Order: sequence, then structure tokens, then C-alpha cells
Amino acid sequence: QKEVEQNSGPLSVPEGAIASLNCTYSDRGSQSFFWYRQYSGKSPELIMSIYSNGDKEDGRFTAQLNKASQYVSLLIRDSQPSDSATYLCAVWNDYKLSFGAGTTVTVRA
Amino acid sequence: GAGVSQSPSNKVTEKGKDVELRCDPISGHTALYWYRQSLGQGLEFLIYFQGNSAPDKSGLPSDRFSAERTGGSVSTLTIQRTQQEDSAVYLCASSLGPESGAQGRGSLDNEQFFGPGTRLTVL
Repeated sequence: QKEVEQNSGPLSVPEGAIASLNCTYSDRGSQSFFWYRQYSGKSPELIMSIYSNGDKEDGRFTAQLNKASQYVSLLIRDSQPSDSATYLCAVWNDYKLSFGAGTTVTVRA
Repeated sequence: GAGVSQSPSNKVTEKGKDVELRCDPISGHTALYWYRQSLGQGLEFLIYFQGNSAPDKSGLPSDRFSAERTGGSVSTLTIQRTQQEDSAVYLCASSLGPESGAQGRGSLDNEQFFGPGTRLTVL
């Protein structure tokens, strides 16, 4: 079982819609969770961090964490063409980040 | 800017040559990490530094790979006798410093910020 798994995508959504990205992790003791956005040919950019169960909102992004279910999600509201990228879920384990394979999102204008 | 910087941005080398990749972390960040991203692959952890010491070298794929960090700042990743399978983007990240404890209790100190990467091509 992979440490961090994401829905494989690609995910195509119309402009203005909500994009929903899911991630599960295997280490029940993990405490820190991150979402990175990676544009093609660029390095990952941190967009959200979440440490407690529940929702965390930042602009059009909402991260949701459920430690009992070992589940993290990211919602992108009012999706824009500039949101088209690969989104990486990352989980803190023993000082290093374990990454999912990423979900590629395409926002159709 | 005040972000993580890496050099060179691109490196093309011949099989069997040695290469050095450099990372300059965000000022004040004590923790530094190297990752590798191969085409179509996920991000793979290589090594972690806290200050000048490397408590975790578990991700280095072979003894051809080594890294050092001096002065608690700049780090160099060296690949000896490069092979074609070493071709990848090598990413460096830094953070304020890991929260104590293996699981990280949840802290802004754990947030890692990446540099632009070095694209290595081994012919």
C-alpha cells in the first residue's frame, strides 16, 4: 500500500465550478498535511497546510482533514483557468514529506 | 527574492561524469531537504539536513549519491559516475525546522518551500 494515495484524474471542470481533490494516507500517526500546486515544468508551490480535523479555508481553497478516516481533501471553488495544474497531497512522516502521485486538474473556459 | 535558490537550472552531462547541484535555502531556515522528480514519477525523498548534520540519508538511491551542508546554509548534492537513470529534476526545499518528534505535532515549522529545481540530463 502506498503511503499517500490520490484520485488519479485527470479532473476536468468548467470555469466557475468546484474542483474536489481527494487524498488518503496510511500512517495513522501523521499530524501534518499539505497541498502543493505544480504547474507544468515548475516546482511545487505550497498552497495549504492543515493540522486539525475539520475545514480550513484560504480564499477559494478549502482543505478538509479527517484523521479517523485518514483522509484529506482540497476543494477549489470558482475554478479559474489559472488553477489548471497538478495538485500534490503531502503528508509529514519522520521529518520528510511523502507525496501522492498528484491529480491533474484542467479548468475549461 | 527571498526564496530557495538552486543552481544550475539545467545540467546536461555524459554518462560516467560527476555532477554537483547547489541549493541555497531561505534565510533562517535550519532544515533542508533534497527530493527527486523523474518524468512521470512522483516526488522522491533523498536526504534531510538539520543544521549541518544529516539525520536521515535513507532516500539516497546508491552510494554514488552524497550531500553536504556547510555553515547551516548552502547544500551541495553530488552524483558520481552519473547514469542515465539519474536523469530527473532535483528539488531542494527548506523549512524553519521540523517540529520535534517523528510525527510532527503540526506546526508552521514543518512547512517546506521548494526551489525551482535543477533539471539533470545524463546522455
